[in-house]
Amino acid sequence: NAGVTQTPKFQVLKTGQSMTLQCAQDMNHEYMSWYRQDPGMGLRLIHYSVGAGITDQGEVPNGYNVSRSTTEDFPLRLLSAAPSQTSVYFCASSYWDGAYNSPLHFGNGTRLTVT
Amino acid sequence: KQEVTQIPAALSVPEGENLVLNCSFTDSAIYNLQWFRQDPGKGLTSLLLIQSSQREQTSGRLNASLDKSSGRSTLYIAASQPGDSATYLCAGSGGSNYKLTFGKGTLLTVNP
Repeated sequence: NAGVTQTPKFQVLKTGQSMTLQCAQDMNHEYMSWYRQDPGMGLRLIHYSVGAGITDQGEVPNGYNVSRSTTEDFPLRLLSAAPSQTSVYFCASSYWDGAYNSPLHFGNGTRLTVT
Repeated sequence: KQEVTQIPAALSVPEGENLVLNCSFTDSAIYNLQWFRQDPGKGLTSLLLIQSSQREQTSGRLNASLDKSSGRSTLYIAASQPGDSATYLCAGSGGSNYKLTFGKGTLLTVNP
């Protein structure tokens, strides 16, 4: 059972570079989301989606883009990396009936360092 | 805006002890509450989900309760084991929007 798969596990970028963090789930979940986890700040929602073709902003969306062309995939794009985007990024998914009535499943994270 | 607080930030107990982890939230219009476990370098694993109409959920040695009127949830761990050592996070949804808000977690260490 693959669950939620994130790639890569580690990434180092230089300031100004762009990249895409990949997230795929095989549970046919409608809801997918991206969080970043920083020491002392906890988990903060970047973007989320409740189905293919539907995305919305979370708490800290600036500097990030997402798209949802399929149910399975929800990539996160960093447009021009900044040191402030150094963090651990988690993708999560769940069934969706209009609210968080199902457990949220997380990937193992991508540790990103921007120099 | 929903705010979720977990106190203490860290807790150390001897093996076999029963313990309670606390989670407080500011908006009593919470829809449901989830408890997660996070091991070092890993993602979060959902432990228990309490829906709005429920007051508690149990899974093995874990019991989670939700008191919306007081803005509190507790996670009770019975007969703690060293394998229970991890960071435990709670997350609430509802209030002014349907977004999940996480607490910063309690780092639990169970000493053999």
